[in-house]
Amino acid sequence: AQTVTQSQPEMSVQEAETVTLSCTYDTSENNYYLFWYKQPPSRQMILVIRQEAYKQQNATENRFSVNFQKAAKSFSLKISDSQLGDTAMYFCAFMPPETSGSRLTFGEGTQLTVNP
Amino acid sequence: KAGVTQTPRYLIKTRGQQVTLSCSPISGHRSVSWYQQTPGQGLQFLFEYFSETQRNKGNFPGRFSGRQFSNSRSEMNVSTLELGDSALYLCASSVEGLEEKLFFGSGTQLSVL
Repeated sequence: AQTVTQSQPEMSVQEAETVTLSCTYDTSENNYYLFWYKQPPSRQMILVIRQEAYKQQNATENRFSVNFQKAAKSFSLKISDSQLGDTAMYFCAFMPPETSGSRLTFGEGTQLTVNP
Repeated sequence: KAGVTQTPRYLIKTRGQQVTLSCSPISGHRSVSWYQQTPGQGLQFLFEYFSETQRNKGNFPGRFSGRQFSNSRSEMNVSTLELGDSALYLCASSVEGLEEKLFFGSGTQLSVL
């Protein structure tokens, strides 16, 4: 079974600064997907960024980028130029190969607060 | 295009009752999955349905069940409610072949008193 661990329950950052959220996972699969989701107080789960394990290049989406270290099973999220609207709970998640359907394993979450 | 719709948004039940939650996926999405979110256990996968068949199942007791209709709408049912079933229940849908592109609904907040 896969496990996902987020060791930072809470983090805070000043507006316009950069913050990195950590995530490690454990799996015996060689190909899989990794995700970072954002859950604001509205409770809607919003996809921030997705990484396919067979792609060595780190995914980026505007101010969001990941550092994917497959051998170390590490998948951190960097948020640049933090904005007040980035305040939310962030979840790291793992999905096995698509032939298994869509089954996500989530980490415990990191509550990020962006301060003005 | 409408997003994933979950009804109701809030629900209050008492122990021992049963409850049915509904999820309407995005048009064209045939896969629907359900998750339970609690402060203690976090986000946990319940089950996934595709073309009216359960494709994946999480580690939950038999009190938790689901089904999917021919129009891809899904329902989940919890019988003999317990206090620990109080949670946010999230539904997600995806297109066949693009299961990694999940779209989530806003959830149903269930409170068991």
